[in-house]
This record gives sequence, C-alpha cells and structure tokens, in this order.
Amino acid sequence: ILNVEQSPQSLHVQEGDSTNFTCSFPSSNFYALHWYRWETAKSPEALFVMTLNGDEKKKGRISATLNTKEGYSYLYIKGSQPEDSATYLCAPNQAGTALIFGKGTTLSVSS
Amino acid sequence: DVKVTQSSRYLVKRTGEKVFLECVQDMDHENMFWYRQDPGLGLRLIYFSYDVKMKEKGDIPEGYSVSREKKERFSLILESASTNQTSMYLCASTLQGAADQPQHFGDGTRLSIL
Repeated sequence: ILNVEQSPQSLHVQEGDSTNFTCSFPSSNFYALHWYRWETAKSPEALFVMTLNGDEKKKGRISATLNTKEGYSYLYIKGSQPEDSATYLCAPNQAGTALIFGKGTTLSVSS
Repeated sequence: DVKVTQSSRYLVKRTGEKVFLECVQDMDHENMFWYRQDPGLGLRLIYFSYDVKMKEKGDIPEGYSVSREKKERFSLILESASTNQTSMYLCASTLQGAADQPQHFGDGTRLSIL
C-alpha cells in the first residue's frame, strides 16, 4: 500500500492570507497525482490531475506543482477566501492501480 | 454534466442486518469505486470494479461485498452490519484506463449502525 502523507493536518488562516499544503508519496512507479477539494456536505471535487515531473497547474487562485523524482506535490492558495474552507485531498496512483488517498489537509478561512 | 447518484444520503440500520448501498452513474464509465471515510483515517478503498461482473478488493474489504450486474450500477453490501461499519460511504467512477482522469464522486451516504 502506498504511504501518502499530507501536511499540515489542519490549518486556520485569515481571509487574504496565502497558504500552501504538501503531499508526499513514494516516487517509484509513479503514474499520476490527483488533488481534490471536499467541502462539508458536498462530494469531493477534482482540482487537478498531474502526470509530468515539473508540471504546474492553475485554477483561479489555486495552483499545484509536482516533483515525481522526489515524490511530492504542493498546493498553493493565493489570497484565501472563506469559500476556500474545505478538506484538500491528494491521491497518487501507480500505473494500473487504484488511487490511494492521503488523510487530507483541512483548511479554515476566517473573514 | 457528469452525475454519480447514491441512493440514500442518510441511513440507519441495526446490527446484523444486511445493508445495500446503491450507486448509479450516467457517464458510461467502466470503473466504479466504493470508499469509506472516517475521521483521522481519510478515504479508504473498499472495493472497485473495472467492468460488469468484475470486482477487485481494495484496502479494507472485510465485512463487505459488491455487485456489478449493469455497467451503470455498483452496489455495496454489508452482509451482517456491525457498529464498526458506521461511516460515510462514497461512490466514485471514472473511465477505464484513465488514471490521469479525475474520479467523479457521489454525495455520500452517512450510515449509522445501531
């Protein structure tokens, strides 16, 4: 079973702050890395799927980077807003296997 | 728009009952998944299916079984419900051979076993 670590486990920021989370995973046999946002009372929503080392993706104020050689990905949120409050999950997979989810980082943004 | 529908949002059952959780997707996806989510443990894979009548065990299959008789429907079965199966259950689907495509999730079923 892949060991996927996300840090921090939770954090609380003020509106307007920028923040970032880390996802660490084994680099061997890497195929893809998924990021999901899970808001309370809703279903997890895909943010990014990345496959290439050095890849960087952006969606509005949220961006993510990927380092497959060392096995980590960063998720950045610029100018956090209360609506960004959610649990952010990363999930790598090796070729031919199912996703393995990390335990998530729970973000709380105060106005 | 993509849609994964789980039959119940909330469900309360008694210990020893046989429980069925249903999931239907309208995207013609081959792959379907059942997860459970518990505080501090994250999303854990119970079972998945790559095609009709095919199933694979995930990380925590004990106490569960699944059924995939039609492509669009994937059922999770608790053979004899126990209190430690109280949890949030999520269904997801994706295209076959598309590990670089996102999974689409249902809204979840919060199951309580009394």
